[in-house]
Amino acid sequence: DAGVIQSPRHEVTEMGQEVTLRCKPISGHNSLFWYRQTMMRGLELLIYFNNNVPIDDSGMPEDRFSAKMPNASFSTLKIQPSEPRDSAVYFCASTNTLTGSDQPQHFGDGTRLSIL
Amino acid sequence: SQQGEEDPQALSIQEGENATMNCSYKTSINNLQWYRQNSGRGLVHLILIRSNEREKHSGRLRVTLDTSKKSSSLLITASRAADTASYFCATPDQAGTALIFGKGTTLSVSS
Repeated sequence: DAGVIQSPRHEVTEMGQEVTLRCKPISGHNSLFWYRQTMMRGLELLIYFNNNVPIDDSGMPEDRFSAKMPNASFSTLKIQPSEPRDSAVYFCASTNTLTGSDQPQHFGDGTRLSIL
Repeated sequence: SQQGEEDPQALSIQEGENATMNCSYKTSINNLQWYRQNSGRGLVHLILIRSNEREKHSGRLRVTLDTSKKSSSLLITASRAADTASYFCATPDQAGTALIFGKGTTLSVSS
């Protein structure tokens, strides 16, 4: 089975540009999570969806960040406008909470974002 | 906010040696998970231990959980160069749906 698929794997863009990160969760999973990883702050939860509905976006750093999940097989994380401090690795993860709340999360390989 | 904190931050050992990593957390939990992250890759789930379990094994991995001390340990026996990675503990958030990760232990195994 295919795992969580993220695109692009790498993104380099200039400050002020709009950035869109994409994620395809594992088929059948009903929960999707967006994380940001930096050396300074570690792995931070930005937002998560359950059955395509945003449940907790308290980790989204600013209004410049937005996330959508239009259907069960696709989610986007958008940064507009981007700033150098947004440079990080962004991960998407999915899990199936229908079989219990203690299910492991499955991670994509991330998008390494560099804002110049 | 950080729930789990791993210790040590970094660990260097020789192949064949055992590696022990510790995780402390702050609030009551019903389970704790350990993940591995290879360089440039996403996290991979290793093992989950529930609050009513004290010890769990999976291959060369042994995990313990002490709820009275709010701590867990991950032991990798007979380490291999391929075990070189960062290891994270994760605990459920208050809602029990999302996970909160520690900052991880970076393990280097040299041959």
